[in-house]
Amino acid sequence: DTAVSQTPKYLVTQMGNDKSIKCEQNLGHDTMYWYKQDSKKFLKIMFSYNNKELIINETVPNRFSPKSPDKAHLNLHINSLELGDSAVYFCASSQEKLAGATYNEQFFGPGTRLTVL
Amino acid sequence: DAKTTQPPSMDCAEGRAANLPCNHSTISGNEYVYWYRQIHSQGPQYIIHGLKNNETNEMASLIITEDRKSSTLILPHATLRDTAVYYCIVRVAPRTGRRALTFGSGTRLQVQP
Repeated sequence: DTAVSQTPKYLVTQMGNDKSIKCEQNLGHDTMYWYKQDSKKFLKIMFSYNNKELIINETVPNRFSPKSPDKAHLNLHINSLELGDSAVYFCASSQEKLAGATYNEQFFGPGTRLTVL
Repeated sequence: DAKTTQPPSMDCAEGRAANLPCNHSTISGNEYVYWYRQIHSQGPQYIIHGLKNNETNEMASLIITEDRKSSTLILPHATLRDTAVYYCIVRVAPRTGRRALTFGSGTRLQVQP
């Protein structure tokens, strides 16, 4: 059973298009994240949601809009795609409210490789 | 989150122990040391974490110096499947601060047959 799944795995599109990436976790976690890994392999947080509420919103262009319809899903919609948006996007989830735990690990999805032409 | 410094790359022979160092000289008292790894083209995977005591699990051991300014991740018997980029991350526990992880450039470990 896949814990954190993302669709699609690969996405090739033209500049100016609008696209969405979907993420689902079946772990019952209350927190979900979007990370971006660029061509230099640096992995950076973009957004974090806890119980459908936006917690972290890093310096990301407002062309990127996350949407969490429920605790198990966090989708990423990107408007007016640009060449610089080409990257691998990782979704992750964790349970941040577990009493007594010193740390609750983040589980990452397989990534979505976005290529903007 | 405290800054971490790791060597960019290391080699290790298959079956031998891989010792991956991490410097975090500005670590504060409430910050933990976490290790993740990213095998090629996959999402990062949690390995282990610790505060000040040495820790061991089924994947690895974490040795933290007494002054907590550095640590070493030990893979006791490296296999080819352990070839990956290993990230050392220092941050407060999730309940008391930000929840996201800040990844540096990590150490690329190449296990040689």
